[in-house]
Amino acid sequence: QVQLEQSGAEVKKPGASVKVSCKTSGYTFTKYNIHWVRQAPGQGLEWMGTINPNGGSTNYAQKFQGRVTMTRDTSTSTVYMDLSSLRSEDTAVYYCARIRGVIITEYYFDYWGQGTLVTVSS
Amino acid sequence: SYELTQPPSVSVSPGQTASITCSGDKLGDKYACWYQQKSGQSPVLVIYQDTKRPSGIPERFSASNSGNTATLTIIGTQAMDEADYYCQAWDTSTAGVFGTGTKVTVL
Repeated sequence: QVQLEQSGAEVKKPGASVKVSCKTSGYTFTKYNIHWVRQAPGQGLEWMGTINPNGGSTNYAQKFQGRVTMTRDTSTSTVYMDLSSLRSEDTAVYYCARIRGVIITEYYFDYWGQGTLVTVSS
Repeated sequence: SYELTQPPSVSVSPGQTASITCSGDKLGDKYACWYQQKSGQSPVLVIYQDTKRPSGIPERFSASNSGNTATLTIIGTQAMDEADYYCQAWDTSTAGVFGTGTKVTVL
């Protein structure tokens, strides 16, 4: 069965970086893009960007350009999301999610990770 | 940037119909999907490509999308349907866009 297993909670100081992992299993890793979505406490969902595990190409939301880096390790079927220059507003649960659909307008998330809480506090 | 607007909350009595709207410029020209998120859990897909239900989603969930509005309808709402619901669409310039979210309360 398809599974997306994320790394554990993190506490970081302002200005630091955090790297969250998303280990996938149960399907061919290189066939489906992985996206990252975050949710601040009590707030809605916010799309951050995506990585194509087949080649590693990425597309980031404009808001995170320059601060986020998504990478993958095909040997372990794992995707990583690195967010730098953290500030208190980055405190959120970060989710990875698998995308389905042939073209972007048809996309939908069919599987989600369990979420990783990142707390930014001095 | 593209925006999707939902009512903050919807209240419904058990067994009745709940309707949640999602408004965006020419949303009907895009595919909309809907996610259910229960407290402390990851989102779950309940509708994709405007009207399709994934395997395992009850038939009481249905949806439509036309003009500037997509609508999620829950017919015969049950207590277990109490959750936050988010619409989502894809914009070729902005990429992934989520609605503001609607809290459904089953009274």
